[in-house]
Amino acid sequence: SQQGEEDPQALSIQEGENATMNCSYKTSINNLQWYRQNSGRGLVHLILIRSNEREKHSGRLRVTLDTSKKSSSLLITASRAADTASYFCATDPGFLSGGSNYKLTFGKGTLLTVNP
Amino acid sequence: GAGVSQSPRYKVAKRGQDVALRCDPISGHVSLFWYQQALGQGPEFLTYFQNEAQLDKSGLPSDRFFAERPEGSVSTLKIQRTQQEDSAVYLCASSFRRDRGYEQYFGPGTRLTVT
Repeated sequence: SQQGEEDPQALSIQEGENATMNCSYKTSINNLQWYRQNSGRGLVHLILIRSNEREKHSGRLRVTLDTSKKSSSLLITASRAADTASYFCATDPGFLSGGSNYKLTFGKGTLLTVNP
Repeated sequence: GAGVSQSPRYKVAKRGQDVALRCDPISGHVSLFWYQQALGQGPEFLTYFQNEAQLDKSGLPSDRFFAERPEGSVSTLKIQRTQQEDSAVYLCASSFRRDRGYEQYFGPGTRLTVT
């Protein structure tokens, strides 16, 4: 079963625009991670945000986490054609929610297309 | 440095055949994971190893699925008597645990098609 749900399912933008993807989840978490998957390639870790953090930046990426709403967002600024990929959020529920502190639960992903 | 590698990259099996999928994790990574990714879905957890110990196999869909990591490095996922519903991409990931949260490094996957 998949805990996270990304929204929208698909997003198409022009190069240079910003892209925002959202993730909602159901149980309490230790941390939330975002991954990118290009066509034909494996998943690449982008950023990890812990449950006690509200915002994190990495290059052109900005992630926010609202544990009261059980949601996270990923913002990619000044998008490039090379950002075209599927983006997944993955949650680690942790022991208190019946999780494991190692097992990641992925959403179905957002397919981002950046047009040159 | 070398990342996680998987072989074969593509495998076509006739229904009923046995298959073996290999994963070479990043050297020194103690944790190894297998995931199954169906078309249009996110990866779903299958099993977890810490060194050679299989600590969690709760995600394995049936007793036809078996995974091992005998020396704590290379791992093999074996599927016996393959069925069409086994068609998916099988992803391997490894990690070097740190603190209470950590990233996983994924291989390119093995795409299994059962005909």
